[in-house]
Amino acid sequence: KNEVEQSPQNLTAQEGEFITINCSYSVGISALHWLQQHPGGGIVSLFMLSSGKKKHGRLIATINIQEKHSSLHITASHPRDSAVYICAALKSSGDKLTFGTGTRLAVRP
Amino acid sequence: GAVVSQHPSWVICKSGTSVKIECRSLDFQATTMFWYRQFPKQSLMLMATSNEGSKATYEQGVEKDKFLINHASLTLSTLTVTSAHPEDSSFYICSASGGAGYEQYFGPGTRLTVT
Repeated sequence: KNEVEQSPQNLTAQEGEFITINCSYSVGISALHWLQQHPGGGIVSLFMLSSGKKKHGRLIATINIQEKHSSLHITASHPRDSAVYICAALKSSGDKLTFGTGTRLAVRP
Repeated sequence: GAVVSQHPSWVICKSGTSVKIECRSLDFQATTMFWYRQFPKQSLMLMATSNEGSKATYEQGVEKDKFLINHASLTLSTLTVTSAHPEDSSFYICSASGGAGYEQYFGPGTRLTVT
């Protein structure tokens, strides 16, 4: 079993829909990253959080340390949100990231 | 957020040649840089961690003599793929961090194709 699990693996949504991507982890962490990777390959760091909730524009990330679970929400989704979303856990024991397998999101106009 | 650049963005080379990829942090001092490779539709795999001025720490299964990493300054790390073979064709991504516990900022990646 992977230390970081994401669901769903693939997600298709209609423009305007509210989207949730989930991430569960089984190790102790100091922080969790949400990353976005577009088809060209470049990776953008969306959030790094260790507790509570962060918001940036239409994106919201939450984390529940006790339940070892994080969610990424996209409000009013748009086709330009189509990308692979990756959660990555920064283990308490070091500075390496452990990556989930990614969620491939397609938003249709 | 902070900016990390990679050069080149893509490269095609012949089997047996060596290729150097640069990773630069443009607006902060990167104590630690990480090198990843990613195969199509797979997640990132950490190859090595480099700290400025010291030898890189390689992950299990990564040949240090094949993937030479140099982190000579706080803003530059290089990855040299020596004697490249077609199986080395991949997407190579670096990230940079100001230190343990700091956020990692990712470069745009370098697509290497070995013919």
